[in-house]
Amino acid sequence: NAGVTQTPKFRILKIGQSMTLQCTQDMNHNYMYWYRQDPGMGLKLIYYSVGAGITDKGEVPNGYNVSRSTTEDFPLRLELAAPSQTSVYFCASSYKGLAYGYTFGSGTRLTVV
Amino acid sequence: TQLLEQSPQFLSIQEGENLTVYCNSSSVFSSLQWYRQEPGEGPVLLVTVVTGGEVKKLKRLTFQFGDARKDSSLHITAAQPGDTGLYLCAGEVVSGTYKYIFGTGTRLKVLA
Repeated sequence: NAGVTQTPKFRILKIGQSMTLQCTQDMNHNYMYWYRQDPGMGLKLIYYSVGAGITDKGEVPNGYNVSRSTTEDFPLRLELAAPSQTSVYFCASSYKGLAYGYTFGSGTRLTVV
Repeated sequence: TQLLEQSPQFLSIQEGENLTVYCNSSSVFSSLQWYRQEPGEGPVLLVTVVTGGEVKKLKRLTFQFGDARKDSSLHITAAQPGDTGLYLCAGEVVSGTYKYIFGTGTRLKVLA
């Protein structure tokens, strides 16, 4: 099925470890985003990309890095995991940007212990 | 700080009842979306409203964009257990640092 695919679905990390959250979309969308969702806090934008080779910081970028080498893939890298990064992470994509709404992946639940 | 406040935060109702969820801000939006999110899944887009005063219907769901484009409402008629979920509004702000912001959500539970 067409859409946004995220892996893994669940992950437990120890403090100081690193990992990459994978995100791929097959809708040929130029715009891709990474959000984190914390209880009662809504969705916060971490990083976004308006096309291959172009990335920019969102509202809460500290502790994360991204790359966009292809239109389809937008991985999120966590370096030196901290308990504050325990959250549910969502990748999303959109056709032309904000006014068209987003297609979200099913999320990655990350726990840092 | 740009905020998009939703009310109520939680709502538990019986099947067949009507309800309204509100989304309010001091910012002006060029467009606003409503999403529904079920446990363990990402939000799913329900509707986009663009014009002040616009009303859109999706079966038993009615969405309205405020005349000044600062607020929106979602009305559900004869709620069903399948309507249970987290409802999120999100908007494209006309001006500001972060162009697209999400509301904090309304968690709805419809009891059979």
